Amino acid sequence: DAGVTQSPTHLIKTRGQQVTLRCSPKSGHDTVSWYQQALGQGPQFIFQYYEEEERQRGNFPDRFSGHQFPNYSSELNVNALLLGDSALYLCASSGLAYNEQFFGPGTRLTVL
Amino acid sequence: TQLLEQSPQFLSIQEGENLTVYCNSSSVFSSLQWYRQEPGEGPVLLVTVVTGGEVKKLKRLTFQFGDARKDSSLHITAAQPGDTGLYLCAGAEINDYKLSFGAGTTVTVRA
Repeated sequence: DAGVTQSPTHLIKTRGQQVTLRCSPKSGHDTVSWYQQALGQGPQFIFQYYEEEERQRGNFPDRFSGHQFPNYSSELNVNALLLGDSALYLCASSGLAYNEQFFGPGTRLTVL
Repeated sequence: TQLLEQSPQFLSIQEGENLTVYCNSSSVFSSLQWYRQEPGEGPVLLVTVVTGGEVKKLKRLTFQFGDARKDSSLHITAAQPGDTGLYLCAGAEINDYKLSFGAGTTVTVRA
């Protein structure tokens, strides 16, 4: 049973560029959440997708957008990258127990 | 300001000693999770507690959820070097879909 998978593992971009991160949920899960984790801090909630709609959004600017596909996989897009966007981006999936979230290994984004 | 406050921030102990990590808030949670995270990896779910006063034991780890569902603790008995890592508590407020995380407690167990 595959867990949550994310791609790519690492990514280096320059300021102003755009990036797309991908996530496949754990088998049987239909809800995907995205979190940003800066160095030395706990993860911060970006948004959650359910039934291909954004169900809840955290305190992040509109530069952060997402999408969920019919197979429940998801993408996180960040436009006009800033140095402060450098972080570990985590995807988590959940099923009926929507608060019990299982995390992927993350994508390390570095913005130069 | 973090919704969940964890203490201590850092903990370094000798193998065989016991340790306790605390997670406190003024908010009430419908559920609370504890995760452990290794450097450069995603958090791994250790336990979910949902009932006030609940105590769950996983081998040498004991998790407690406060009666008022505002706080929690993680106790490790006879710690081993393999317990080294970042321990994160995360809570879901009532009618909320997101998890709010504490800043984490970095635990180092010396052999």
